[in-house]
Amino acid sequence: AQSVTQLDSQVPVFEEAPVELRCNYSSSVSVYLFWYVQYPNQGLQLLLKYLSGSTLVKGINGFEAEFNKSQTSFHLRKPSVHISDTAEYFCAVTPDTGFQKLVFGTGTRLLVSP
Amino acid sequence: DAMVIQNPRYQVTQFGKPVTLSCSQTLNHNVMYWYQQKSSQAPKLLFHYYDKDFNNEADTPDNFQSRRPNTSFCFLDIRSPGLGDAAMYLCATSSRTSGGGETQYFGPGTRLLVL
Repeated sequence: AQSVTQLDSQVPVFEEAPVELRCNYSSSVSVYLFWYVQYPNQGLQLLLKYLSGSTLVKGINGFEAEFNKSQTSFHLRKPSVHISDTAEYFCAVTPDTGFQKLVFGTGTRLLVSP
Repeated sequence: DAMVIQNPRYQVTQFGKPVTLSCSQTLNHNVMYWYQQKSSQAPKLLFHYYDKDFNNEADTPDNFQSRRPNTSFCFLDIRSPGLGDAAMYLCATSSRTSGGGETQYFGPGTRLLVL
């Protein structure tokens, strides 16, 4: 089975500052990794995903994440945040074979203030 | 635009009164999922359809049922809602491929309130 840990439930940051949202996972098999964003009262939207290849993955809205297999981490970063980035961010993992059930972390609320 | 649509966005029901939530998609995806998301929690998969094949999660209560009459539509039926079933219900779709790692596309959700 897989599990995801997002240690930070809330991250406050000022506009135009850099941000890193942490994600660690546990799995006995190889995995695919995802970051989804949820704006208030909306569904989830894919930011980026890692399937294979380069460990640095670029996504939408200027976000990127780096897969680190030895540290079982997939941290999300943005060099300069905007007010509009205020949202809930979910890290998720699936095994890379069989039924690929998405297992989500508990989410990190990013609060961007002026 | 191709999308996942959920109706209604907000649903109020009474304790024990059956309720149905609907989801439709214009993406022509072969997999449709239902998630339950309680306040400040991660989405939790209830079940999914792969084409017409229904797959229930082991810990999904019997109170929750689903129907998929065709590729485009999927319904979530809650036979006797309890107060603990108040949540956001998210529908998602994906196009399952042999390589895996497909993206799930989510609808905006239906927020269910049980009185």
